Amino acid sequence: QQPVQSPQAVILREGEDAVINCSSSKALYSVHWYRQKHGEAPIFLMILLKGGEQKGHDKISASFNEKKQQSSLYLTASQLSYSGTYFCGTEPSYSGAGSYQLTFGKGTKLSVIP
Amino acid sequence: DSGVTQTPKHLITATGQRVTLRCSPRSGDLSVYWYQQSLDQGLQFLIHYYNGEERAKGNILERFSAQQFPDLHSELNLSSLELGDSALYFCASSVEGSGKLFFGSGTQLSVL
Repeated sequence: QQPVQSPQAVILREGEDAVINCSSSKALYSVHWYRQKHGEAPIFLMILLKGGEQKGHDKISASFNEKKQQSSLYLTASQLSYSGTYFCGTEPSYSGAGSYQLTFGKGTKLSVIP
Repeated sequence: DSGVTQTPKHLITATGQRVTLRCSPRSGDLSVYWYQQSLDQGLQFLIHYYNGEERAKGNILERFSAQQFPDLHSELNLSSLELGDSALYFCASSVEGSGKLFFGSGTQLSVL
C-alpha cells in the first residue's frame, strides 16, 4: 500500500521552513527520501532505518517514528534549489531487511520563490 | 549524471505493439530496479534483479517482463501495449546493502 504524503504541495519564500510528512499503514523497516526536479530523475536524499533516528545533511533532515509508521522531512532556511517534488519510499518490515523494494508516495511538490 | 544509462529517452508507439527498454547500471552495481511513473500513480515498483536473478516483483503486469544479462544490463519488455501504459519508466541501480538508488534519466513511453 502506498504511503500517504502531506501536504500535496507547498509554496515557500526563500528562507522559510517546511515539513513534509509520510505515513504508512504498515510496519516499516526503513523510509527513504528522494527529490525529483521537473524532467529529471529522482535523487537520493537519505535513508532512515527503524530505531527512531534522525538524520540530516546541510539544512535538510528527517525523522522516523517506527511506532507510528511515520516519517517527516524538515527543510530549514529553504533555498531556490530545494524546489522539486519530494517522495518518500517505504520498505515494509516483512520484505526482508535491506531488499529496498520501495513503495513510493505520490509526492509533495515544493516551490521556493524569491 | 547518476551513471545509470537508459535508452531510448523517448518512445512513441501504437496500441498492441511491443517495445524493449534498456538499462545499463552503474559500474559495479549488481542490483537493477524498474519503476513506472505516471501522473496518477506516482512511482510504482515493477521488478528487481540482482546479478541476473529476479529478486522481487511489484505491480508488474503479465504483459511486461524483464531480464538482467550476464553483463548486468537489463531490459524491460512491454507487449500488447495499451494507452494506459504511457508513462515514464525509470531504471535504478544500487550497491547491495546500501539502499541508495541511483536512477537513470528514464524512458518516456507514449502509446497512441
